[in-house]
Amino acid sequence: AQKVTQAQTEISVVEKEDVTLDCVYETRDTTYYLFWYKQPPSGELVFLIRRNSFDEQNEISGRYSWNFQKSTSSFNFTITASQVVDSAVYFCALSELYNFNKFYFGSGTKLNVKP
Amino acid sequence: GAVVSQHPSWVICKSGTSVKIECRSLDFQATTMFWYRQFPKKSLMLMATSNEGSKATYEQGVEKDKFLINHASLTLSTLTVTSAHPEDSSFYICSATQPTGGLGNQPQHFGDGTRLSIL
Repeated sequence: AQKVTQAQTEISVVEKEDVTLDCVYETRDTTYYLFWYKQPPSGELVFLIRRNSFDEQNEISGRYSWNFQKSTSSFNFTITASQVVDSAVYFCALSELYNFNKFYFGSGTKLNVKP
Repeated sequence: GAVVSQHPSWVICKSGTSVKIECRSLDFQATTMFWYRQFPKKSLMLMATSNEGSKATYEQGVEKDKFLINHASLTLSTLTVTSAHPEDSSFYICSATQPTGGLGNQPQHFGDGTRLSIL
């Protein structure tokens, strides 16, 4: 069965600190996709990244970076030099190749960045 | 700009009424759309897969008669919460697949969600 676990319910940091959000997943498929979404208080989902299971290269986009470790079934997300605007709930999600439009979301991590 | 439009964004109504939420794909046709439900401070749970021209596929535990889904055209899926009660209050989000690119490369677009409050 598919499952995404985000063990950190809520994290609070002070601005400019680095913060890592953890994501661990379970799937029986060999081909799958992993995502991170940001959900600000207004509610809409903001797409951050998609990674397929064959691409284990880490990715960096500005202050954001992602570490995909297939051996540990983890897809962690790091924000460097956090800012108040980063405050939101972040969701990790999984979809599988032959049902790739169906998303399985983690429970989300609420990030509070204080000035 | 948004490629999936969800309407209304916010609705408050009395217990016992039925509420219809629309999900429209803009600039593309979507044979498949998805409906998710999010309880306060909780994750998004897939409710059902909306299939154009056929019956929706519901996830286990979702009441088909409570949550009616109609996907009458390639750009519109509707979710009707029938005889809504306070426990149906939630944030409902739809998504649609844009049919560009090969298998696994088709973008999934989410609507901005609908906050439903039943008094």
